[in-house]
Amino acid sequence: EAQVTQNPRYLITVTGKKLTVTCSQNMNHEYMSWYRQDPGLGLRQIYYSMNVEVTDKGDVPEGYKVSRKEKRNFPLILESPSPNQTSLYFCASSQRSGFDNEQFFGPGTRLTVL
Amino acid sequence: QQQVKQSPQSLIVQKGGISIINCAYENTAFDYFPWYQQFPGKGPALLIAIRPDVSEKKEGRFTISFNKSAKQFSLHIMDSQPGDSATYFCAASRGNSGYSTLTFGKGTMLLVSP
Repeated sequence: EAQVTQNPRYLITVTGKKLTVTCSQNMNHEYMSWYRQDPGLGLRQIYYSMNVEVTDKGDVPEGYKVSRKEKRNFPLILESPSPNQTSLYFCASSQRSGFDNEQFFGPGTRLTVL
Repeated sequence: QQQVKQSPQSLIVQKGGISIINCAYENTAFDYFPWYQQFPGKGPALLIAIRPDVSEKKEGRFTISFNKSAKQFSLHIMDSQPGDSATYFCAASRGNSGYSTLTFGKGTMLLVSP
């Protein structure tokens, strides 16, 4: 089954404790991205990657890191989480750039930083 | 600067009625306009999309109307059903930018009452 998987689905942590949210896709997609979803703010892009070893900042990159060492994986790293990073996070992937670029979203990771 | 403005924030429609969600964009370079549907606890999924060379696209009960001169587009859900209750996001991207980063509206929470 073609899908984007994220782990963990739920995470409660404390301020300053480094964490990683994993994302993996099995569709051989080149493009992957991370979004955060907050009430009243919609979906905001954090980082994206056009291919292996190619990443770039989205609209809200502060406090986050990413890496793309393999085509299928795109982990999101919070080096020192803070309460304002409490949010619902989505990983997405797409086949190509250009027109009709459907993005496939993972199931989400709900993060709470105390 | 919010590049895609979506309204209303929430909407209640009776079963069988028409649901209408509106979006307006500012960047004239946008050339791909998808709508995503998100059910509680799930990631968003592509519902329907349009390019600016057509003024309307219909898929089943879902229709996108596009007004290029006004820089507006809308989603119409005919014969709305309780199963349509979800959050809807409009989005826009530049298909010729190399990577089609999606800019999302803030979302509309639709409730279809039985």
